[in-house]
Amino acid sequence: NAGVMQNPRHLVRRRGQEARLRCSPMKGHSHVYWYRQLPEEGLKFMVYLQKENIIDESGMPKERFSAEFPKEGPSILRIQQVVRGDSAAYFCASSPNERTSNQPQHFGDGTRLSIL
Amino acid sequence: SQKIEQNSEALNIQEGKTATLTCNYTNYSPAYLQWYRQDPGRGPVFLLLIRENEKEKRKERLKVTFDTTLKQSLFHITASQPADSATYLCALDSGYALNFGKGTSLLVTP
Repeated sequence: NAGVMQNPRHLVRRRGQEARLRCSPMKGHSHVYWYRQLPEEGLKFMVYLQKENIIDESGMPKERFSAEFPKEGPSILRIQQVVRGDSAAYFCASSPNERTSNQPQHFGDGTRLSIL
Repeated sequence: SQKIEQNSEALNIQEGKTATLTCNYTNYSPAYLQWYRQDPGRGPVFLLLIRENEKEKRKERLKVTFDTTLKQSLFHITASQPADSATYLCALDSGYALNFGKGTSLLVTP
């Protein structure tokens, strides 16, 4: 039973480039959540997706950031024209249904994004 | 706004002792509270979930309490071991996702 898989584990980009982070949820899970963890900060919710739908993107910056979860394939978090402040660890979590409060979320080991 | 506070200072204890970590929250009326463990370079791992009508929950050496009057949860690790050294996060439901505290770092020394 594979857990949540994220790749790459480490990603280095120069300012102005694009970063693409991928997340494959646990088998049987159709709900995906992206979180960002800045140094010395807690995990902050960014976006919640179900297959082919963005349900809640209230935590995601309006510009440069986008997310998708296509019918086939992994969920993608895309950051365009990266800036130094985007350097962080990005975590993906999945769950089998939308009832977040009374069930655990299963996390991947994250992608560490570094902007030069 | 909703706030979750955990001890920012690291907790250092000796092996075999009980570690107690605190999670306080404001402007919340959560029905559930969760605790996670996070090791360096890894994602959070779920440990325990407690409901508002449960005063206490246990799992092996772990115990969680939930006081909705004090708006506080305590997380205990009994007979602590060096392998318990990690950062422990508490989380409350917030809309569709979880709202996490910053975590408390625990170091158990032999």
